[in-house]
Amino acid sequence: KAGVTQTPRYLIKTRGQQVTLSCSPISGHRSVSWYQQTPGQGLQFLFEYFSETQRNKGNFPGRFSGRQFSNSRSEMNVSTLELGDSALYLCASEEGSANYGYTFGSGTRLTVV
Amino acid sequence: AQSVTQLDSHVSVSEGTPVLLRCNYSSSYSPSLFWYVQHPNKGLQLLLKYTSAATLVKGINGFEAEFKKSETSFHLTKPSAHMSDAAEYFCVVSDPYGNKLVFGAGTILRVKS
Repeated sequence: KAGVTQTPRYLIKTRGQQVTLSCSPISGHRSVSWYQQTPGQGLQFLFEYFSETQRNKGNFPGRFSGRQFSNSRSEMNVSTLELGDSALYLCASEEGSANYGYTFGSGTRLTVV
Repeated sequence: AQSVTQLDSHVSVSEGTPVLLRCNYSSSYSPSLFWYVQHPNKGLQLLLKYTSAATLVKGINGFEAEFKKSETSFHLTKPSAHMSDAAEYFCVVSDPYGNKLVFGAGTILRVKS
């Protein structure tokens, strides 16, 4: 069974630009979550989608958005990039409940210059 | 609200000696708890999970954890450390109503030869 696939692995963007990250979950998993990892703040929850519906959103500004497609693939978008958005963005998929544990992808390393 | 506290930010052991990584949790209800490991420049890998079955949980690579409700603890142990165990370890509690995971700050495990 293929794991969670995130593309691209690395990105370098300039302040003010926007970026789109992609995540393909494990086949059959309908829940996809996104997390931001930084040295200062650790791992923080961004949002979670289940069957194309956002079920929960973390405490991030509106510049951070996401969506999920009918095949469960998900994208997250960050507009008007700031230096502080530099981070490892991790996607995780699960069958449908946080109680079972999520499988994480390898992440996308975003650097904003 | 759910939260976890990892009591040590860094732990250093010699190869072949036991490993103990400490975690306390706070939860409004019966929790699901996890330990994840992250090797440098990699995503998160699930080591083990507790979901209200046996209190002693066995995971991959010889790790295990014991759920102690009276102490609100979920410490991770391994009888004999290997060089390949050097990584960062995260204790995690699920928030099923928020459909998300809540991460501890992480413990960096160093294994000396």
